Amino acid sequence: AQKITQTQPGMFVQEKEAVTLDCTYDTSDPSYGLFWYKQPSSGEMIFLIYQGSYDQQNATEGRYSLNFQKARKSANLVISASQLGDSAMYFCAMREGDLGNQFYFGTGTSLTVIP
Amino acid sequence: DAMVIQNPRYQVTQFGKPVTLSCSQTLNHNVMYWYQQKSSQAPKLLFHYYDKDFNNEADTPDNFQSRRPNTSFCFLDIRSPGLGDAAMYLCATSRAISGGRRAYEQYFGPGTRLTVT
Repeated sequence: AQKITQTQPGMFVQEKEAVTLDCTYDTSDPSYGLFWYKQPSSGEMIFLIYQGSYDQQNATEGRYSLNFQKARKSANLVISASQLGDSAMYFCAMREGDLGNQFYFGTGTSLTVIP
Repeated sequence: DAMVIQNPRYQVTQFGKPVTLSCSQTLNHNVMYWYQQKSSQAPKLLFHYYDKDFNNEADTPDNFQSRRPNTSFCFLDIRSPGLGDAAMYLCATSRAISGGRRAYEQYFGPGTRLTVT
């Protein structure tokens, strides 16, 4: 079974609108971390936001927020007020366990912001 | 200031000619990773080091080797590159989890794009 599933290969959003990128995960470990990364066409992976399995509140970082629904095992990324520079690939990832050093990545979502 | 540095950014090698990619970090992180990423795909973990402990993924070809001489540096050696090894190679670092229930993120370098002719 896939550890991380991203079901949206491509998404379009109008500039200044909000967009939600979906991510579901699969783990039986009570301790895990969820991450979102942005990868522009230049290739560098940029860390955006983190949600811990024990965190009571949804994470927010500027225009990024994470809609964490633990019972549904989903960790959707919400980007508010989209900008042209947000056009990129977005990857959801998970790190399991207190001693887990391996990260599991989803297949990514390509976001295009339309002027 | 760059925290994870990869050299070179672009590497062209000939079919079958050994090549080494390098990665260095200024973060003093315990864990270093090498990923292979092909166009429009997710990064694929090749191996990682936790300090000096080497962890190879089961499906990483023997053609790929790695060395970590010290905390700061890690190398990826491709002994006999094939056309299918052309890809972006990403190095990343992370702190190890130490029971604090904080899963630390990875920091990535800019990548080395490998072309095999």
